[in-house]
Order: sequence, then C-alpha cells, then structure tokens
Amino acid sequence: DAGITQSPRHKVTETGTPVTLRCHQTENHRYMYWYRQDPGHGLRLIHYSYGVKDTDKGEVSDGYSVSRSKTEDFLLTLESATSSQTSVYFCAIIPRELLQETQYFGPGTRLLVL
Amino acid sequence: RKEVEQDPGPFNVPEGATVAFNCTYSNSASQSFFWYRQDCRKEPKLLMSVYSSGNEDGRFTAQLNRASQYISLLIRDSKLSDSATYLCVLLYSSASKIIFGSGTRLSIRP
Repeated sequence: DAGITQSPRHKVTETGTPVTLRCHQTENHRYMYWYRQDPGHGLRLIHYSYGVKDTDKGEVSDGYSVSRSKTEDFLLTLESATSSQTSVYFCAIIPRELLQETQYFGPGTRLLVL
Repeated sequence: RKEVEQDPGPFNVPEGATVAFNCTYSNSASQSFFWYRQDCRKEPKLLMSVYSSGNEDGRFTAQLNRASQYISLLIRDSKLSDSATYLCVLLYSSASKIIFGSGTRLSIRP
C-alpha cells in the first residue's frame, strides 16, 4: 500500500463543465503522475510532477491541466469536460527517487462525461 | 509501430495449466522491465520485476531477452485467482518515461 487516495472515486458530469480530480499521498513522495486508461489504449500519461510547482506534460495532455501546491496533493483539472474524456483516471507515485523504481497506483476515479 | 506490444488475449486455460505470454518492445534503450497485474475495475499492481538473468516468484517466472527485445511471463499450475489482465511495463532512464502495454487478459476456468 503506497498510501495513495483519489477523490472522487466516481463522477458523472456534463459536457462543458469543469472537473477536478484529486490525488492525495501521505508518504512525502516526490514523483506523482496522472494517467487515463481506456480499452485498447492501455495506460496513457497525462501529466506528471517532480515536486511542488514542478509539473510537465505527458502523452495526452490536451484538455487537462494540473497543479501541485503541496507535496501531498496532485490535482488534475478538466477545464471543460468532453465526452472523449470519459475514462478511468489513475494517479501513481514512484516511492523513491531512484531511476529503477516503478510506479504504484491509486484506486482510480471513474469519470463519465455526458 | 507501438513501443510496446502485447497480445490482448483473452487466454482461456483450465486450472492447473501452464500459460505464458510475451511482450515485445521496440526501443532498445529500455532500462527496466516489470509485470503488473490488474483485476477488473481495480488499479494495476506490481507483480514482479524482470531481470536479465530471469527470475522466479513462486509459480511465476519472468524473463527478459534483450537481443530479441521481448519479456515473458510464465505462470505454472494456474489458479482461478490468477484470472486478471497482465500488463508489461518498460521504464527508461528518465523517471518520466514509463511505457505500459495495453495488457493481456487471462481467464482461468475450473
């Protein structure tokens, strides 16, 4: 258990509304990541963070923004949700800053955009 | 060409069988390799790392073939509880470059 929680766990929203997903970790990990998972595509990286106020874009960042004002929280915002953003969103951390460490995931958020 | 390719399956095998699946990768700069397991509607969880010399963890054996650029996972004496999707993961030298396969679905029948 890497001490990661995500909120909300489920959300239904309408096209055009803003949505913010939260990833919270309790163990002071520096590296945090947001992914989306869709059938046939696997996990795709949206944004990642190397520390407070240090974020960068991943493979599928269009339509998403992130913020990290505290070590423990990494927020993902859909500025204006679209139906193509219906997905399962996972937050992940790397438990240590060693290059060979792999990732541990939060429980996920299921988002449905109508 | 995708950086990582996995046979999506499903593999449907009887309990007690041995099953193996591969994951091929295209970028020889890949540094580290892992297998994850993902149960339905759950998050991916690390199953095991893959070492160049091959490694075992109970009924599970992982192997890496750098020359042919693939990793493999072998499950012996399969159990009903092994039913899941198995993802291969490649980690490059930068912590920002992690590539996930789309997964192989395994179903064990009684």
